[in-house]
Amino acid sequence: KQEVTQIPAALSVPEGENLVLNCSFTDSAIYNLQWFRQDPGKGLTSLLLIQSSQREQTSGRLNASLDKSSGRSTLYIAASQPGDSATYLCAVRVHYGGATNKLIFGTGTLLAVQP
Amino acid sequence: EAEVAQSPRYKITEKSQAVAFWCDPISGHATLYWYRQILGQGPELLVQFQDESVVDDSQLPKDRFSAERLKGVDSTLKIQPAELGDSAMYLCASSLPGLPTQYFGPGTRLTVL
Repeated sequence: KQEVTQIPAALSVPEGENLVLNCSFTDSAIYNLQWFRQDPGKGLTSLLLIQSSQREQTSGRLNASLDKSSGRSTLYIAASQPGDSATYLCAVRVHYGGATNKLIFGTGTLLAVQP
Repeated sequence: EAEVAQSPRYKITEKSQAVAFWCDPISGHATLYWYRQILGQGPELLVQFQDESVVDDSQLPKDRFSAERLKGVDSTLKIQPAELGDSAMYLCASSLPGLPTQYFGPGTRLTVL
């Protein structure tokens, strides 16, 4: 059974710092891995999607890497800003019977960027 | 920009009552998902539709939960009777068939007293 773990559960940093969020998964048979952002009481916004054949994806100040063989992904945020404060979730897409697949989410990292 | 709509945004109900949540996906998105997110945890898939057909409801507690998408557009998730442990955020998402990116709605926060 696929399990997704995120470390740390919470992180507080001063504005301007570079930071790394970690995600690990137990089964390397994934289609892709996705990082989401969730603001308090809101839905999820997709940040980056890495296909299983890729090593990294970049969008602005965000860079996500994927090491499928070791079951790890990192989300790097450069020059953090107070507006980056949110919960960051990673999810892996796995095959699930027949032609279906599904997202398995981690429990998230709550990030607070202090002004 | 098109968005997934959900209503109500907040619902407070008493144990044993019935509740229903509504979701309107982005136009043209044939795949629709309902997730439950308990506070402090990641979302868990409850049911997935392809058009009006259920393709995965393995995690749906079928003794009390039901979901329908009669015309393959909007969808309703019902709980009857609600239990204390059902307090959670219920998220709806949609995607184009075959594409991995899911677009999430704002969610319905359910509190069962």
